[in-house]
Amino acid sequence: GQNIDQPTEMTATEGAIVQINCTYQTSGFNGLFWYQQHAGEAPTFLSYNVLDGLEEKGRFSSFLSRSKGYSYLLLKELQMKDSASYLCAVRDSNYQLIWGAGTKLIIKP
Amino acid sequence: DVKVTQSSRYLVKRTGEKVFLECVQDMDHENMFWYRQDPGLGLRLIYFSYDVKMKEKGDIPEGYSVSREKKERFSLILESASTNQTSMYLCASSPGGAEGYNEQFFGPGTRLTVL
Repeated sequence: GQNIDQPTEMTATEGAIVQINCTYQTSGFNGLFWYQQHAGEAPTFLSYNVLDGLEEKGRFSSFLSRSKGYSYLLLKELQMKDSASYLCAVRDSNYQLIWGAGTKLIIKP
Repeated sequence: DVKVTQSSRYLVKRTGEKVFLECVQDMDHENMFWYRQDPGLGLRLIYFSYDVKMKEKGDIPEGYSVSREKKERFSLILESASTNQTSMYLCASSPGGAEGYNEQFFGPGTRLTVL
């Protein structure tokens, strides 16, 4: 079966760095996405990786290793507004998105 | 800005009622999707559509149907609502072609409670 694993919840301190991991087993691979979802709101796109390596976008970076079935989202200089759920999704061989359950990130002052 | 709107933010219905959830996007996207989101589970795809009058079953289509008569509108129908359909329903759209695989834009969601 297809599976996306990510931690249920993480806590970090304002101003610090946090890494949210995602591992996947899917039938084929056509890209990995990270979305951010604030409580009660719609998910919004953060990043997309299809090749191995690190993609940097401001305070957020996303890393992919296809051979390991592994990705992480790195958030630097954490702000209180970064408190949200972070969803990992993999596009499979049929170009359908398989979603993880999300990681709830709690930022403390 | 891409805008995806859903007809209701909150909806309460009774078991056995027919329920319509409407989704409209204003960016001329070919692809539209309906998901449900439940605590502890990832987004699960109910149905999707790549074109007008076209629909494809997702992972959990049972108990649902859809309609896409116009490009901008994608409706989700619960023929006879049941309590296990209490959930958050999210609509999304994306462009067609290669770009369509790069990002889905989501509506604000409809929280449906079936009593």
